[in-house]
Amino acid sequence: SQELEQSPQSLIVQEGKNLTINCTSSKTLYGLYWYKQKYGEGLIFLMMLQKGGEEKSHEKITAKLDEKKQQSSLHITASQPSHAGIYLCGADLFQGAQKLVFGQGTRLTINP
Amino acid sequence: DTAVSQTPKYLVTQMGNDKSIKCEQNLGHDTMYWYKQDSKKFLKIMFSYNNKELIINETVPNRFSPKSPDKAHLNLHINSLELGDSAVYFCASSQRDRYNSPLHFGNGTRLTVT
Repeated sequence: SQELEQSPQSLIVQEGKNLTINCTSSKTLYGLYWYKQKYGEGLIFLMMLQKGGEEKSHEKITAKLDEKKQQSSLHITASQPSHAGIYLCGADLFQGAQKLVFGQGTRLTINP
Repeated sequence: DTAVSQTPKYLVTQMGNDKSIKCEQNLGHDTMYWYKQDSKKFLKIMFSYNNKELIINETVPNRFSPKSPDKAHLNLHINSLELGDSAVYFCASSQRDRYNSPLHFGNGTRLTVT
């Protein structure tokens, strides 16, 4: 089984709607990173969360790390076609090792 | 432009051949990585080098040999390619001494073994 589980695996939403992607670990997350990937391209870093209860926002994307540091959510408000892509959560499960483990990704499609 | 760049972008080759993928970063980072993304989009770490020293070596066949001539470069050589090696290989870099420094990824090399 994966050390990081993302849900849902795929998501189709109407443009303008809100959506949430979840990332869950059975271990403590020492650092949680959200990335976005478009087909044929590399991973683009979105946000990093470290502290339990931390929340960060960038434009219409908000990421949270729960108090127990075992789950994170990524929320997109008023989705746009430019938000389409694969979202991956990556986590440092071995403090200080800088060995990121990734979830299986969530494929987001935005319908006009 | 500051970036992690890897070449080639696409690589199509036959089973049994030997091939190399090159990676360079000009971000001044001291740590570089190779990740493999399979057809199901699972992204898994293969190797990590810190200042030219191997620090992470996951259970990867020894047909895969990373080489870091300096901290800005990390190449991946693959011997006797097999069908199962087909995947997208990503190079990444980070600054290890900066706690929780995010990884910066290249655009990937799509390897197809026929």
